[in-house]
Amino acid sequence: DAGVIQSPRHEVTEMGQEVTLRCKPISGHNSLFWYRQTMMRGLELLIYFNNNVPIDDSGMPEDRFSAKMPNASFSTLKIQPSEPRDSAVYFCASSSTSRNNEQFFGPGTRLTVL
Amino acid sequence: EDKVVQSPLSLVVHEGDTVTLNCSYEVTNFRSLLWYKQEKKAPTFLFMLTSSGIEKKSGRLSSILDKKELFSILNITATQTGDSAIYLCAVMASNTGKLIFGQGTTLQVKP
Repeated sequence: DAGVIQSPRHEVTEMGQEVTLRCKPISGHNSLFWYRQTMMRGLELLIYFNNNVPIDDSGMPEDRFSAKMPNASFSTLKIQPSEPRDSAVYFCASSSTSRNNEQFFGPGTRLTVL
Repeated sequence: EDKVVQSPLSLVVHEGDTVTLNCSYEVTNFRSLLWYKQEKKAPTFLFMLTSSGIEKKSGRLSSILDKKELFSILNITATQTGDSAIYLCAVMASNTGKLIFGQGTTLQVKP
């Protein structure tokens, strides 16, 4: 089992640039979650999908953030344009209703916006 | 508004000490409560608690849930420096698997 795969692991970009984070959930999992973690705010849920459909995006900070899940094995989180306050670690997690919805986290993408 | 509150926010102990971490919650449509350990990378799963009064144990770690008083505790006995981490409590609401996380407790175990 490869676990949740995220790329890139580190991203450094300049303010105003577009950033795309990628996630491959564990095969067979039907739910996918995007989180953001900062020292100030802790771990925050941004958006989650069930069976590729966005269920709750109330955690998405603003219109600069968007997420897609075109199929069961791939999701993206896009920030456009990026701002310094977006600097954080972004985690993707996946779960399966057949395993009590226990969430497995990917290694995270550390984003720095200069 | 759903919320999960952990205490203390940080804790420093010495090896061999016993620690108790607290998690209280106010969540509609409660389904289960989970504990995670986070070192320098992603959170890793420790326990999932669904029923009151049933202690879950894994080595020196144990946890219990009180659904009447809406809290859970995580105990670590005979702490070791490797227990140093952020311990996250999360509550799962409804059947969608959405997790609401607390702020975390940062535990430092000194030799």
